[in-house]
Amino acid sequence: KAGVTQTPRYLIKTRGQQVTLSCSPISGHRSVSWYQQTPGQGLQFLFEYFSETQRNKGNFPGRFSGRQFSNSRSEMNVSTLELGDSALYLCASSLELAGSKNIQYFGAGTRLSVL
Amino acid sequence: DQQVKQNSPSLSVQEGRISILNCDYTNSMFDYFLWYKKYPAEGPTFLISISSIKDKNEDGRFTVFLNKSAKHLSLHIVPSQPGDSAVYFCAASLDSNYQLIWGAGTKLIIKP
Repeated sequence: KAGVTQTPRYLIKTRGQQVTLSCSPISGHRSVSWYQQTPGQGLQFLFEYFSETQRNKGNFPGRFSGRQFSNSRSEMNVSTLELGDSALYLCASSLELAGSKNIQYFGAGTRLSVL
Repeated sequence: DQQVKQNSPSLSVQEGRISILNCDYTNSMFDYFLWYKKYPAEGPTFLISISSIKDKNEDGRFTVFLNKSAKHLSLHIVPSQPGDSAVYFCAASLDSNYQLIWGAGTKLIIKP
């Protein structure tokens, strides 16, 4: 079974541009979560999608948005990029069967550099 | 408000010895706890978990202990191996909300 796939792996943008990151979850997984990781910081939760609906949202500005498609694939968009948006963006998927616990499986991440 | 705290940013342990990574939490409603391991340039990988109804869970060299009264959990690695050098994150969840709350991570360095 293929794992969580994130594309692209690396991205370089300039301030003011926008960027779209993609995540394909493990087959059958319906929940997709996005995280931002900066040096010295833990995983900062961005948002979580389940069945094409945003179910949870972290404390990030409205420049950060996402969506989930009917096949559970998800995209994350950041508009008007700032230098501080440079980070590793991680996507995780989970199965979420009733009664099961939430083990999230992560992709390798997209390393975004904003110049 | 940091609900899950890993107060040691880094830990250095001799190969073959025991590594103990600690995690504290503030929300007594958390009912499930997980440990993840992360290598540079990779996503975190699930290591071991524990439900709040237990106080210990073991998987090979890894054991997680939960002390609910102290709101504290720890991950023990015995014996420590060079490949264990990584950043370890603890995370917690509420049954009513699938979102995971993460600690800041502890960088474990295993010295040969």
